[in-house]
Amino acid sequence: GQSLEQPSEVTAVEGAIVQINCTYQTSGFYGLSWYQQHDGGAPTFLSYNALDGLEETGRFSSFLSRSDSYGYLLLQELQMKDSASYFCAVRDMWGAAGNKLTFGGGTRVLVKP
Amino acid sequence: GAGVSQSPRYKVTKRGQDVTLRCDPISSHATLYWYQQALGQGPEFLTYFNYEAQPDKSGLPSDRFSAERPEGSISTLTIQRTEQRDSAMYRCASSPAGSGRPSNTGELFFGEGSRLTVL
Repeated sequence: GQSLEQPSEVTAVEGAIVQINCTYQTSGFYGLSWYQQHDGGAPTFLSYNALDGLEETGRFSSFLSRSDSYGYLLLQELQMKDSASYFCAVRDMWGAAGNKLTFGGGTRVLVKP
Repeated sequence: GAGVSQSPRYKVTKRGQDVTLRCDPISSHATLYWYQQALGQGPEFLTYFNYEAQPDKSGLPSDRFSAERPEGSISTLTIQRTEQRDSAMYRCASSPAGSGRPSNTGELFFGEGSRLTVL
């Protein structure tokens, strides 16, 4: 079966750094994505790692270790607007036929002043 | 269109009724996905289309659920004989066709969803 584990909730103050870990067990693996979802909104794409290592996009960075079936999302210089749910998602199918994703349960990040 | 559009945004129905949800994907996108999302949970895969073909419907919970994309653009998700456990947010997403390159991020573009409540 497919399973992705991530913490349910994290609380931090403005300006802090938060790391959200994700471990996965899936039948296929072609990459790890991260999505952000504000309350009442749609999930939006943040980052993608197909290969081991760190990808940096502004204040957000994502890391992948395929040998450990592990990745994380790093949120730096936290701002109030970063309060949202963050989902890791495994791309368990890839190619011209589609980009099927299996999502984790999400980590709710609460940023306090 | 500019983004993925779903309708209706909210649907309240009585148990036993049929409902149909509609998704209008980004016009240039070949693939279209349906996900179900319970409150406080991550999206769960239902089915997807590559143009009008439906290669995978393994996530559909029962044969009461069906989806179509007859002309490779707009898609509908139909739930027959609705039950209270069907109450959820139903999200549609679209994506450009896979390029065959690992650098393709496979980004899904989600719509705002259709919230279904079955009484």
